Amino acid sequence: DTAVSQTPKYLVTQMGNDKSIKCEQNLGHDTMYWYKQDSKKFLKIMFSYNNKELIINETVPNRFSPKSPDKAHLNLHINSLELGDSAVYFCASSQAGQGSYEQYFGPGTRLTVT
Amino acid sequence: AQSVSQHNHHVILSEAASLELGCNYSYGGTVNLFWYVQYPGQHLQLLLKYFSGDPLVKGIKGFEAEFIKSKFSFNLRKPSVQWSDTAEYFCAVRSYSSASKIIFGSGTRLSIRP
Repeated sequence: DTAVSQTPKYLVTQMGNDKSIKCEQNLGHDTMYWYKQDSKKFLKIMFSYNNKELIINETVPNRFSPKSPDKAHLNLHINSLELGDSAVYFCASSQAGQGSYEQYFGPGTRLTVT
Repeated sequence: AQSVSQHNHHVILSEAASLELGCNYSYGGTVNLFWYVQYPGQHLQLLLKYFSGDPLVKGIKGFEAEFIKSKFSFNLRKPSVQWSDTAEYFCAVRSYSSASKIIFGSGTRLSIRP
C-alpha cells in the first residue's frame, strides 16, 4: 500500500504550457505539503494545507496554484511553465498535533520544461 | 529566521569507515529535529527524529544522532558505513512556534567506496 502517491512520475513539457501534478495520501493525515527540489538537491517548501485550508504559502510565483479538494488530496497546478520550473516536486503529509509532525514523502514528480 | 546548516556538502568514505555528518540550526526555542535520507532516484525517508527526552537518538540501519542543545547541533553518526549507505542526507528542524513547517538543510551527499 502506497502511503503518499503522486502522478505523474515524469512530466516533460514545453515552455508556456499549463500542467498539473496530483498527490494523494492514505495515512489519514490532515496536513499536506508541496516541496520543490532543485538540481542541487536543495529542498524548499512551497505550500502546506491543513484540512483543506492553506497554512503555508512561501514566496512562490503565482503561476503555481495548489488545490486541496479534501484532506487526502493536494494538487499543484502550474501555469505558463518556465525553464526554471524544471525540478523534482515532492508531496508530503503529516498529522498536526501528533508528536513531532514527522512528514511522509511521496516518490516525487520530475518536471522537465524544454 | 530559522535556518539549518549542513556544512559538509559531499563526503566520501570507504566501507567500514565511521561517519559523522554535521547539522546546526538557528532557533532558540523548543525544536523537533530530523534526519532524512534520499537514496538515488528515490523519495525522502525518515532515518531518525528527536522529539524530547534522551538526546541520543537511535534510528534505522544503525544510524544515531545526538542533540546538543548548547551547541544547537544534531549530528548524525554511524560507526561503520556500507556501500548501500550512499545517498543524500538531510537534516531538518521544526520549531514549536511554526506549527507544521519543517526547514530542511541543503543536504550532504555521502559516497561510499566499495
